[in-house]
Amino acid sequence: DAGVIQSPRHEVTEMGQEVTLRCKPISGHNSLFWYRQTMMRGLELLIYFNNNVPIDDSGMPEDRFSAKMPNASFSTLKIQPSEPRDSAVYFCASNPGQGSYNEQFFGPGTRLTVL
Amino acid sequence: GENVEQHPSTLSVQEGDSAVIKCTYSDSASNYFPWYKQELGKRPQLIIDIRSNVGEKKDQRIAVTLNKTAKHFSLHITETQPEDSAVYFCAVADMIKAAGNKLTFGGGTRVLVKP
Repeated sequence: DAGVIQSPRHEVTEMGQEVTLRCKPISGHNSLFWYRQTMMRGLELLIYFNNNVPIDDSGMPEDRFSAKMPNASFSTLKIQPSEPRDSAVYFCASNPGQGSYNEQFFGPGTRLTVL
Repeated sequence: GENVEQHPSTLSVQEGDSAVIKCTYSDSASNYFPWYKQELGKRPQLIIDIRSNVGEKKDQRIAVTLNKTAKHFSLHITETQPEDSAVYFCAVADMIKAAGNKLTFGGGTRVLVKP
């Protein structure tokens, strides 16, 4: 298995532009997580899905952020409009599913820079 | 919600010495305690985990201890080597409740092993 796949790996954009980050979880994994990592705030959970359904989006910082999981093999995190303070590394992670004492497998991350 | 505190934030040790990182948590229902290692520019990866029915677990040079009464757990690295230099994150979850595979991460400890 290729592991969790994220794209793009790097994104540089200007303030006000829309940014879409993409994630493909490990095949057969039913839970998917979006994290944001910065030096100041550490590793923050933004939102997670079980069986494609959003379970907890309390970490989404504001309405500019939205996430979808239209099927079991694809999820997007969208920022519109983007701001410089959104600059961070965004990780997607997956694990087999609710209630499982299993590792969360992280993707390689997307490094976002908003100028 | 769950609150996880991790100390110290940075730790410098001489090669061959031991390193200890401590975490405390607030939710007594938490029952799963993994540790993740993140090397510079890489993704977090699970290195060891422990469940609430176990007090200690070892894997070669790393060990984790859990005190459920006091709500704290620790990571111990013995005979440290330069490749142990990384950021280490503790995490906590309640795997029994309905949406239970959400992890709450500590703030991270940057470990530097000096040769």
